[in-house]
Amino acid sequence: KAGVTQTPRYLIKTRGQQVTLSCSPISGHRSVSWYQQTPGQGLQFLFEYFSETQRNKGNFPGRFSGRQFSNSRSEMNVSTLELGDSALYLCASSSTGPGEKLFFGSGTQLSVL
Amino acid sequence: AQSVTQLDSQVPVFEEAPVELRCNYSSSVSVYLFWYVQYPNQGLQLLLKYLSGSTLVKGINGFEAEFNKSQTSFHLRKPSVHISDTAEYFCAVSDTSGNTPLVFGKGTRLSVIA
Repeated sequence: KAGVTQTPRYLIKTRGQQVTLSCSPISGHRSVSWYQQTPGQGLQFLFEYFSETQRNKGNFPGRFSGRQFSNSRSEMNVSTLELGDSALYLCASSSTGPGEKLFFGSGTQLSVL
Repeated sequence: AQSVTQLDSQVPVFEEAPVELRCNYSSSVSVYLFWYVQYPNQGLQLLLKYLSGSTLVKGINGFEAEFNKSQTSFHLRKPSVHISDTAEYFCAVSDTSGNTPLVFGKGTRLSVIA
């Protein structure tokens, strides 16, 4: 089985721009979670989608949004980028949802200049 | 809500020595506990998890962890480390409903010295 695939692997943007990150989960997995990883804060939960519905949401501003398609692929969007948005964004999938084993992608490294 | 505290941000240890990475959690309800490992430039991989039953949990690569409910701890141990164990280790907790996200600690960087 192919693992969780995240694209692109690296992104460089400037302040004020917007960005879209993509995540393809393991085949058959219906839950996709997104985390932001930074050296100071560790992993912080952004949101989780299950069968195209947002099931959980973390404590991030409305500039961070996401969606899930019928094939379980997910995208997250960050609008009006700020310097502090520079981070590794990790996507994880599971068969039923959080609490089950999460399978992580390698992440998208976003740098905001 | 749950929270996790990893007491050491960095742990250096010599090769073939034992290691313990400490994790304490806070929760008002029953929990599931996890340890994940992140190698450089990679995502996280599950090392082991505690759902119920025996409090001593064995995982991959010779790691084990012990759930201690009274001390709200879930420390990770390995009797003899290898250079290849150099990585970042994350403790995580969720409630047992299965519908809430995993909450991660800030990680412990294990450096194995030859």
